[in-house]
Amino acid sequence: DTGVSQNPRHKITKRGQNVTFRCDPISEHNRLYWYRQTLGQGPEFLTYFQNEAQLEKSRLLSDRFSAERPKGSFSTLEIQRTEQGDSAMYLCASLASGGDGYTFGSGTRLTVV
Amino acid sequence: SQQGEEDPQALSIQEGENATMNCSYKTSINNLQWYRQNSGRGLVHLILIRSNEREKHSGRLRVTLDTSKKSSSLLITASRAADTASYFCATDANLYGNNRLAFGKGNQVVVIP
Repeated sequence: DTGVSQNPRHKITKRGQNVTFRCDPISEHNRLYWYRQTLGQGPEFLTYFQNEAQLEKSRLLSDRFSAERPKGSFSTLEIQRTEQGDSAMYLCASLASGGDGYTFGSGTRLTVV
Repeated sequence: SQQGEEDPQALSIQEGENATMNCSYKTSINNLQWYRQNSGRGLVHLILIRSNEREKHSGRLRVTLDTSKKSSSLLITASRAADTASYFCATDANLYGNNRLAFGKGNQVVVIP
């Protein structure tokens, strides 16, 4: 297992379009997190899953955002009706129960034009 | 919301010198972690220090934690050009057992060869 994989690496979309990102965590890790990072800032928490259950969502996650983790394996993050303010790096991380630190993917950079 | 606040935010040093960064936080924590991020990439976990620990070492890294002052420092000794990156502290309050992290804004470190 080579770590956390995110696809695509880059996505340019027109305002109003829907986009979907995928994250494949480390297979033994039962926890999966989504964060968003804008330029010059630290990552901000969006949501997290324990196995297939979505246990917490940030207020940053408006109703245009939805995340899933079917079967407790990979996860998808969908943004509907994208806005320019959605432009950011979307980071996925996984964590084993009792683990010491997250393993992050390389992120998906979204640009909304 | 961003809990950690790193100081200084930008640091430029010569190769071989030591680099020190500080981080302050506001609430009680379970542990504090430091991450490195190279430009446009995901974050890499460096070190975790628990709330009952005061100092921890890992290779050229030394982390201290002062829970009475709600602050931490990261020291990188004998810096190398490859240490050029942004460094983030992140606190885990482990509210409800979610291990959700609150990141600071980050320190940009440039090591000049």
